[in-house]
Amino acid sequence: QVQLLQSGAEVKKPGASVKVSCKASGFTFNNYDIKWVRQATGQGLEWMAWMNPNSGDTGYAQKFQGRLTLTTNSSISTAYMELSGLKSADTAVYYCARGGYNSFESWGQGTLVTVSS
Amino acid sequence: SYELTQPPSVSVSPGQTARITCSGDAFPKRYAYWYQQKAGQAPVLVIYKDNERPSGIPERFSGSSSGATVTLTISGVQAEDEADYYCQSTDGSGSYVFGPGTKVTVL
Repeated sequence: QVQLLQSGAEVKKPGASVKVSCKASGFTFNNYDIKWVRQATGQGLEWMAWMNPNSGDTGYAQKFQGRLTLTTNSSISTAYMELSGLKSADTAVYYCARGGYNSFESWGQGTLVTVSS
Repeated sequence: SYELTQPPSVSVSPGQTARITCSGDAFPKRYAYWYQQKAGQAPVLVIYKDNERPSGIPERFSGSSSGATVTLTISGVQAEDEADYYCQSTDGSGSYVFGPGTKVTVL
């Protein structure tokens, strides 16, 4: 079955960067976009970006452009999300999801990133 | 950019019908998608392309569309349906948006 396994929780200081991984299994990795969403505690879902592993095409929400980088390693079916210039407002659970037709079909378990001095 | 609007909360008794609306300029041009998120869990897609149900999603979940409003209906609500529900759409050029979410409480 489709599975997306994300890396573990991170604690970072303001100004640092964080890199979250998302390892896919149960489907052909290159055939689907990988999308990223975050959710601050008690808040709603916020779309961040997507990447097509086959073409390398990406799309970023405007608010993250310039400090968010998506990459993939198809040889190990893994996607990565790196966010730089961390602020306390970036404290959230970060999810990867397999993209369906304009949707988020299957989700990883989430990775808590805490930004604190 | 564009926004989606949902009611903050809906309360329903077991066995009754819950209806959650989502309004926005994206509709009806763009499809709506609905996600269920239970406490402490990742979201789950329950409706795609306005009214299609993924495999494994119970038949009591249905979606509909009318003009600028889409609706998620849960018929015969069960205690396990208590969750936050989010609508989602796209601008057609690779950007996505989620509604603010609706908390469904089963009384």
